[in-house]
Amino acid sequence: GQQVMQIPQYQHVQEGEDFTTYCNSSTTLSNIQWYKQRPGGHPVFLIQLVKSGEVKKQKRLTFQFGEAKKNSSLHITATQTTDVGTYFCASLYDSGGSNYKLTFGKGTLLTVNP
Amino acid sequence: DGGITQSPKYLFRKEGQNVTLSCEQNLNHDAMYWYRQDPGQGLRLIYYSQIVNDFQKGDIAEGYSVSREKKESFPLTVTSAQKNPTAFYLCASSDRGSTYMGNQPQHFGDGTRLSIL
Repeated sequence: GQQVMQIPQYQHVQEGEDFTTYCNSSTTLSNIQWYKQRPGGHPVFLIQLVKSGEVKKQKRLTFQFGEAKKNSSLHITATQTTDVGTYFCASLYDSGGSNYKLTFGKGTLLTVNP
Repeated sequence: DGGITQSPKYLFRKEGQNVTLSCEQNLNHDAMYWYRQDPGQGLRLIYYSQIVNDFQKGDIAEGYSVSREKKESFPLTVTSAQKNPTAFYLCASSDRGSTYMGNQPQHFGDGTRLSIL
């Protein structure tokens, strides 16, 4: 089935440094969704990208969808301790018979040293 | 307040026992999902349901069963056939996804942590 590969698996930064996580696929993706899961919590939807080359911003977070729709990135500028958590990308695909489901990457765990 | 309620928060299973995890949503969503989360494994799909009285196997359905008798409810049973049930189980719901209608975000419950006694 369709898979999305996410790198890096872990990232530790000093507060104020930037952070980027990447999501890659060997096949063209219909969309990319990004989620954040705080330690001990549940995933929370951040954003969805649909169009080739799309870029969206949420305060210090910048999301990009590649021109070929095979990769995506999440960039955080000047990290804060509140950014700690695991960031997941996910893509929707048709598993057959018009049944749609999300496939999640394994996530990038971000830790921030204050 | 709309949302997804999972219960119990913690659950312990004895050898040879079936246990059922509850998931209820009042978001009026058509689709519901069950995921299993293990450290370093991300979220893996167990079962999903796009409409009432219909559900599909996900990537790791063996040892699990579900039912979807009501739109609001999607309980998951972890059977004794699941030999490694210790994990964090997450239920989610969304409007039904379609590449033509637009894809919808998933809303997650707080999860159930299942352990073996």
